[in-house]
Amino acid sequence: DIQMTQSPSSLSASVGDRVTITCQASQDIGNYLNWYQQKPGKAPKLLIYDVINLERGVPSRFSGSGLGTKFILTISGLQPEDFATYYCQQYDNLLTFGPGTKVEIK
Amino acid sequence: EVLLVESGGGLGQPGRSLRLSCAASGFSFDDYAMHWVRQAPGKGLEWVSGISWNSGKLGYADSVKGRFTISRDNAKKSLYLEMNSLKPEDTALYHCVRDLELDLRGLEYWGLGTLVTVSS
Repeated sequence: DIQMTQSPSSLSASVGDRVTITCQASQDIGNYLNWYQQKPGKAPKLLIYDVINLERGVPSRFSGSGLGTKFILTISGLQPEDFATYYCQQYDNLLTFGPGTKVEIK
Repeated sequence: EVLLVESGGGLGQPGRSLRLSCAASGFSFDDYAMHWVRQAPGKGLEWVSGISWNSGKLGYADSVKGRFTISRDNAKKSLYLEMNSLKPEDTALYHCVRDLELDLRGLEYWGLGTLVTVSS
């Protein structure tokens, strides 16, 4: 089974900050990696698929990078609506989520 | 508009069974894989099971393998999850989710979920 880890587990940031979240896979998953955003009490929302592709309607301040076992989600210029929990998910072997990274207001 | 509406949740006793259903509308159901994803109270997301467009590929998380069975009826545009031998740790909000494509890949559209509570 493929295990996913994320760091940090939480972070505090201010509006306008650049935020990076790292996701690591226990084995090479190529580019089979997606990112989700979840706000309290809401269903998750797909942000980025196949490492780099923004889902329709997702602002361009979100970007993804990586390949193999290490992946990064970057938010360039954090906005108030971006405070949420972010999850990575692999689909190289079935599907597995990372444990999540909570982005809080500093 | 893509709409996914789950039903069948509720209180289940340990060792007993529950069957979840998901009614889909607003898209061509048989063009997409479908999934169940759960979230226990205050916890992260856990992929439970997925099924390809033609039911040719099924997948399960280790935590439910051998106890849960996913199925779909393309004519009825419906997805199901048969949950047997329930455990307290199965308590969660269960979401029905449409994939990005035919095979198991990504989770694009989410239902609001149906709550399953396993307790005696």
